Amino acid sequence: ETGVTQSPTHLIKTRGQQVTLRCSSQSGHNTVSWYQQALGQGPQFIFQYYREEENGRGNFPPRFSGLQFPNYSSELNVNALELDDSALYLCASSLAGLAGGQFFGPGTRLTVL
Amino acid sequence: GEDVEQSLFLSVREGDSSVINCTYTDSSSTYLYWYKQEPGAGLQLLTYIFSNMDMKQDQRLTVLLNKKDKHLSLRIADTQTGDSAIYFCADWGANFGNEKLTFGTGTRLTIIP
Repeated sequence: ETGVTQSPTHLIKTRGQQVTLRCSSQSGHNTVSWYQQALGQGPQFIFQYYREEENGRGNFPPRFSGLQFPNYSSELNVNALELDDSALYLCASSLAGLAGGQFFGPGTRLTVL
Repeated sequence: GEDVEQSLFLSVREGDSSVINCTYTDSSSTYLYWYKQEPGAGLQLLTYIFSNMDMKQDQRLTVLLNKKDKHLSLRIADTQTGDSAIYFCADWGANFGNEKLTFGTGTRLTIIP
């Protein structure tokens, strides 16, 4: 069974640029959630994708957008990067409707200069 | 909105028990989770408890839930140096389409040799 993978591991961008982060879900999981973890904080829910559609969203502006593909992998896109977007971005996969927990990838560390 | 709170730091001598506490506000939480995060890594699911249970034991881990007081605790027996990490509690909403985790700020557990 393959776990959740994310790419890239680290990324450095400048303010105003755009970034795409990628996530492959654990085999058998159909739901992907994205979280932002600022330094010293707990993860904050960005949004969730199920059956290729957004299925719940946290308190993040529209410049945070995503996609889910037929194989359940997912992308997180952030436009017009701001300094405060610097954080660890975590992807988690799960099986919709089951409460067995969300399983996290290792994260992508984004630094915005 | 939902809120989850934890104390920030805990120091325990090797071999003693560690008890990490958490309070939450969402009365509709159906499952509560404990995750472990080691430096530079993603989150590892440790255990979870259904809201109609008051205790769950899993090897060295014991979860206690007081639903009336909305208080959750994680006890780690015979704490080892490998238990050094940040521990997050999280609650999970019941509604399909809102299957997000709300995390606390995390408790940093330090083991004293």
